[in-house]
Amino acid sequence: NAGVMQNPRHLVRRRGQEARLRCSPMKGHSHVYWYRQLPEEGLKFMVYLQKENIIDESGMPKERFSAEFPKEGPSILRIQQVVRGDSAAYFCASSPVTGKLSGELFFGEGSRLTVL
Amino acid sequence: GQNIDQPTEMTATEGAIVQINCTYQTSGFNGLFWYQQHAGEAPTFLSYNVLDGLEEKGRFSSFLSRSKGYSYLLLKELQMKDSASYLCAVSPPGGGATNKLIFGTGTLLAVQP
Repeated sequence: NAGVMQNPRHLVRRRGQEARLRCSPMKGHSHVYWYRQLPEEGLKFMVYLQKENIIDESGMPKERFSAEFPKEGPSILRIQQVVRGDSAAYFCASSPVTGKLSGELFFGEGSRLTVL
Repeated sequence: GQNIDQPTEMTATEGAIVQINCTYQTSGFNGLFWYQQHAGEAPTFLSYNVLDGLEEKGRFSSFLSRSKGYSYLLLKELQMKDSASYLCAVSPPGGGATNKLIFGTGTLLAVQP
C-alpha cells in the first residue's frame, strides 16, 4: 500500500521559469493538503483540496501560485515565474474522508525546489 | 491569529527521558498534535490531544492543558533513532472535518550516547 507519492523529489529552476510539483495521495484518500517548509521555519499551510475543488487556499500567495486536484490524476502545485524566495521544501499530505477530525495527516517525502 | 512556541533545540542522553514543551495562543482550538520529522524525510503523526490530560502511546506520551494553552511531548527510554525534529501543531476552529493544521517551527532533538 503505497504512501503519499510526490515528484520530483528535487527540482532546480532558474528565476522566471515554472515549477510543477505533483502529489498522488494514499489510496482511498480524497483530501489533499500542500504545505511549504522554508529553512529554519515550520510547515506553513498553503492549500486544501478535494477532488476537483479547492476548499481552502488561504495560505497560498495570490500571485504566481495555483493548485489543482483533477478527477483523474495527481494533485499539482504550480509556481509560475519562480523567484529565489520560492526555494523551499513543498510537502503534500492526504487524509481519508472522515466525518470527524483526527489530525492524522499522511505526508509525502516532499519536493525540494531550488531557484537559481 | 495563531502563535505556537516551542524550543528550537534540545539535547538528551540515550536511555533518558526528555520533555518537549509547546505553548500556543490561538483564537480558537480544535485539537493539538505532535509530529516527528527526521532530516530530509516526511513528518509522521505521533499523537493527538483534544481533551485535557495525558495520552500514552508506548515510549511517547503527550499532555494537554487547554486552560493554559500548553502541551508537552514526553519521550522515555530515549534511543539514538529518536534524534529528529518534533513538531507541535494546532487545528484551528471552524474547520469541520478538515485536517488543516498550524505548525510550530519544531524542536530539534539530538540524542547523544
